[in-house]
Amino acid sequence: QKEVEQNSGPLSVPEGAIASLNCTYSDRGSQSFFWYRQYSGKSPELIMFIYSNGDKEDGRFTAQLNKASQYVSLLIRDSQPSDSATYLCAVNPETSGSRLTFGEGTQLTVNP
Amino acid sequence: DTEVTQTPKHLVMGMTNKKSLKCEQHMGHRAMYWYKQKAKKPPELMFVYSYEKLSINESVPSRFSPECPNSSLLNLHLHALQPEDSALYLCASSQGVAGPDTQYFGPGTRLTVL
Repeated sequence: QKEVEQNSGPLSVPEGAIASLNCTYSDRGSQSFFWYRQYSGKSPELIMFIYSNGDKEDGRFTAQLNKASQYVSLLIRDSQPSDSATYLCAVNPETSGSRLTFGEGTQLTVNP
Repeated sequence: DTEVTQTPKHLVMGMTNKKSLKCEQHMGHRAMYWYKQKAKKPPELMFVYSYEKLSINESVPSRFSPECPNSSLLNLHLHALQPEDSALYLCASSQGVAGPDTQYFGPGTRLTVL
């Protein structure tokens, strides 16, 4: 089992729809969770971070964390073509110090 | 301001060359990182500096040599690289505190080894 798994892509949604990106992790002691967006040929850009169970909203983005189920998700409301990118889920496992463990990423395409 | 800068943006080098990648941040962060990213793969951690001391080396070959001259600067010295070392090299920084510690990435250096 991979330490961090993301739903296999690519994911394609129409403009204006809700895009749902999912991530599960294996280290039950993980404390902090991050979503990065990466456009082709560019570096990862932090979208959201979440540390507590529940929802965290920032504009069109909502991160959801369920530590009991070891599950974190990112919802993008009113998806725009400019949201088309690869989304990386990153987890800071309990005993890893500063290390982030990344998922393989989910490629999202928003169709006009 | 969450800016991490990297130079150069692109670098082409031969296998016998010596070159350096540079990274700078002025956010007062005390942890800095080097990652390597191949196409369609997530970033792969290479080195971590915490308070200017090397704290993590992920068994990186010695042809990659990191250096942290001060808390704002991070270098990666390259020597005798192989074509398979061609990748996007990313620098990141974070506050370096215990507990949740958010990493911010620079724009990267696209390295091609001929």
